[in-house]
Amino acid sequence: AAGVIQSPRHLIKEKRETATLKCYPIPRHDTVYWYQQGPGQDPQFLISFYEKMQSDKGSIPDRFSAQQFSDYHSELNMSSLELGDSALYFCASSSQGYLNSPLHFGNGTRLTVT
Amino acid sequence: GESVGLHLPTLSVQEGDNSIINCAYSNSASDYFIWYKQESGKGPQFIIDIRSNMDKRQGQRVTVLLNKTVKHLSLQIAATQPGDSAVYFCAEQNWEYGNKLVFGAGTILRVKS
Repeated sequence: AAGVIQSPRHLIKEKRETATLKCYPIPRHDTVYWYQQGPGQDPQFLISFYEKMQSDKGSIPDRFSAQQFSDYHSELNMSSLELGDSALYFCASSSQGYLNSPLHFGNGTRLTVT
Repeated sequence: GESVGLHLPTLSVQEGDNSIINCAYSNSASDYFIWYKQESGKGPQFIIDIRSNMDKRQGQRVTVLLNKTVKHLSLQIAATQPGDSAVYFCAEQNWEYGNKLVFGAGTILRVKS
C-alpha cells in the first residue's frame, strides 16, 4: 500500500540558510500534518492543512512556513536556520478532515544544521 | 502545556513474555487515542486506536485498554518478540486540540532473547 513519502531523507544546512521539505500524502488523504522530533523527544505538532487550507497551528516558529498544493502535497519552508532546528521532521496524512482517524506518518527528513 | 505523559521511559521484557506499556493522559475531553511504534530511523507506525466510547480493543497480539475514570491508557503486547523492540508513544486527540494528535513522551521497549 502507498505510504506517506517525504523528501529528502537527509539534509545538511548551515546556520542562516533555508531549507524546503516535501511531503506527498497517501492518495485520497485530505489532511497533512507536520511534526518536529528532537533526539529522545516525542513528536511536536507544527502545523496542519485540510483541503489546502491551514487547519491548525502549533509550535511552529515564525521563520517556518508551509502550504498544501492542489495535488495535496505539502512543503515546509524553513528560513534563517538555527542550530536548534536540527531534528527529525515528520509529515503525516489522514482522511476525513476533522473526524477521528489515525495519522499515517512518513519516515521523516533528518535536518542537520551546522 | 498540553501533555500526555508516560512515567516509565524503558521497559525490558523477556522474549515470549507479555508487555504492558502505560500512559496517563491529561485531558478528560480527549475522545480518540492511538498507540504508535517507532523504530530507529523511521516514522511512527500506527498500531491500534480506540475511541472514548470503548474501554477495550484488540488487534493482532495487541490490546489497548482505556480507563476514562483515571485517564489511563495501556498497550498490552502478547508473546513479545525481538521485532517489538522500539519506542512506543501514546497520542490523544480532541476538539480542543483541533485535529492534531498530542503525543506522550514515549517508552522504550527492549526485548531480551
